Amino acid sequence: DVKVTQSSRYLVKRTGEKVFLECVQDMDHENMFWYRQDPGLGLRLIYFSYDVKMKEKGDIPEGYSVSREKKERFSLILESASTNQTSMYLCASSLSGAGLTEAFFGQGTRLTVV
Amino acid sequence: AQSVSQHNHHVILSEAASLELGCNYSYGGTVNLFWYVQYPGQHLQLLLKYFSGDPLVKGIKGFEAEFIKSKFSFNLRKPSVQWSDTAEYFCAVRREDYGQNFVFGPGTRLSVLP
Repeated sequence: DVKVTQSSRYLVKRTGEKVFLECVQDMDHENMFWYRQDPGLGLRLIYFSYDVKMKEKGDIPEGYSVSREKKERFSLILESASTNQTSMYLCASSLSGAGLTEAFFGQGTRLTVV
Repeated sequence: AQSVSQHNHHVILSEAASLELGCNYSYGGTVNLFWYVQYPGQHLQLLLKYFSGDPLVKGIKGFEAEFIKSKFSFNLRKPSVQWSDTAEYFCAVRREDYGQNFVFGPGTRLSVLP
């Protein structure tokens, strides 16, 4: 089974802190994604990466950055956490190429910024 | 912009009732279509997917979905729901000709009353 593991289930951080969310997948997938999930808004894409050291902005990249130094690991960084970044963060991975590929999700990190 | 809409925010049904959740997307071209489910406290899981071929696809737990290309729709159905189907359901679209990311709808919360 594909496994996508996020380093924390719950995090509480103070406004202005730099926050790192880590994600590791064990199936050699090329693509990795960070979404945030908010009630009534579904999943919104923050960033995705299709290869090591490659990244693309999603729909809501402001206030976030990412790092992908190794194929299996994709980190989301909140440079200076703010209360409006309180949310559920979901990491996902998938194979590359057209068709025959689905996204596999981690269990999520619920981040609260106080 | 890519857009996926889901018709209902919250659906409440009694056990054994039939279910249909609507999903529409806003662009042409070749698409891959997915329904994901998120049970309370759990990560997103794939219910079913459509890539090509028979537009009626069957998934896990008795769910099925029908792709109607002319209507840009991919509605989810189940003939008889159970209390254990209580969850949030997300439709997702991936365009084969553009990028590698998955675009999600806002989700539909299903509550099944025993």
